[in-house]
Amino acid sequence: QKEVEQNSGPLSVPEGAIASLNCTYSDRGSQSFFWYRQYSGKSPELIMFIYSNGDKEDGRFTAQLNKASQYVSLLIRDSQPSDSATYLCAVKNVGGNDMRFGAGTRLTVKP
Amino acid sequence: NAGVMQNPRHLVRRRGQEARLRCSPMKGHSHVYWYRQLPEEGLKFMVYLQKENIIDESGMPKERFSAEFPKEGPSILRIQQVVRGDSAAYFCASSPTRYTPTNEKLFFGSGTQLSVL
Repeated sequence: QKEVEQNSGPLSVPEGAIASLNCTYSDRGSQSFFWYRQYSGKSPELIMFIYSNGDKEDGRFTAQLNKASQYVSLLIRDSQPSDSATYLCAVKNVGGNDMRFGAGTRLTVKP
Repeated sequence: NAGVMQNPRHLVRRRGQEARLRCSPMKGHSHVYWYRQLPEEGLKFMVYLQKENIIDESGMPKERFSAEFPKEGPSILRIQQVVRGDSAAYFCASSPTRYTPTNEKLFFGSGTQLSVL
């Protein structure tokens, strides 16, 4: 079982719709959860991070965490074509030195 | 304030040659992480270094790979006797202090795309 699993996609949504990206993780010791966006050929950039169960909102982005279900998601409201990218879910354990990444979900927002 | 700088951007090597990848962290950052990304895969942790020290190299292959972060100069990821399976994008990231839950940000460089012929 992979440590961090994501649906590879591609996920296609129309412009203005809500894009929902999902991620599950296997290590219950995971403490911190992150969403990175990576455009093709570019470096990952941090979008959101969340530590506590529940929702965290930042502009058009909402991260949702459910530690009991070992599940974290990212919602993108009012999706724009510029949101088209690969979204990487990452988790970090208590005291760990490394951040574990999922394989990413490719999102396409169609005008 | 320059970001994390990696060079070269693209590196082509023949099988058996050596590859040297460089990473200059952001100003004020003393912690460097190296990740490898294969096509259609996520980032795989390789090694975590502080100045002059390797803290965690649990993700790095035992043979042919080495990393350093000297007191002066960039961090270097060195791959000896490269094979085709080494072809990947190698990303460096830095943080100002040891990465903790309250110090969330890892700043990534643009990566080095290594191609082994």
